[in-house]
Amino acid sequence: RKEVEQDPGPFNVPEGATVAFNCTYSNSASQSFFWYRQDCRKEPKLLMSVYSSGNEDGRFTAQLNRASQYISLLIRDSKLSDSATYLCVVNQGGGFKTIFGAGTRLFVKA
Amino acid sequence: NAGVMQNPRHLVRRRGQEARLRCSPMKGHSHVYWYRQLPEEGLKFMVYLQKENIIDESGMPKERFSAEFPKEGPSILRIQQVVRGDSAAYFCASSPLDGGANVLTFGAGSRLTVL
Repeated sequence: RKEVEQDPGPFNVPEGATVAFNCTYSNSASQSFFWYRQDCRKEPKLLMSVYSSGNEDGRFTAQLNRASQYISLLIRDSKLSDSATYLCVVNQGGGFKTIFGAGTRLFVKA
Repeated sequence: NAGVMQNPRHLVRRRGQEARLRCSPMKGHSHVYWYRQLPEEGLKFMVYLQKENIIDESGMPKERFSAEFPKEGPSILRIQQVVRGDSAAYFCASSPLDGGANVLTFGAGSRLTVL
């Protein structure tokens, strides 16, 4: 079983749609959680951290469920520019114990 | 502040040759991480270095791969006798301290193609 699992997609949605991604992790001792965004052939960039209380940044909402060991990302009012691969990232303590999921691809169509 | 600089951006090698990838961390960052990303896969941790020290290399293949971060100059990931399976994007990230993914800044990556 992979340490971090994501649905690879792709998710094809029209502009303005709401789309949600889930991610599960296997190590219950994981300490911190993040969503990164990676554009085609570019480097990953931090999108947002994920907290148990949930957090929101504009159109993006992230949730963490420690009991079920999953993380979610909700994107409202999708824009064409949201098209990218979204990487679920789990940190088990220290930068070198950062585990990246394989990513979920999102295509937003006009 | 130039960010994390990696070069070359693209490198083509024939099987059996050596590949050297360089990474200059952000100014003020003393921690460097190397990741490999195969097509359609996630980033896989390879090695974590501080100046003149390898802290963790648990993700790096035991043979043909080596990494260093000298007192002066960039970090270097060296792949000897490359094989086709080494073709991938190699990303370097740096951080000012070992504090988790939220302080990782990535370079643009070096894409290695082995013919």
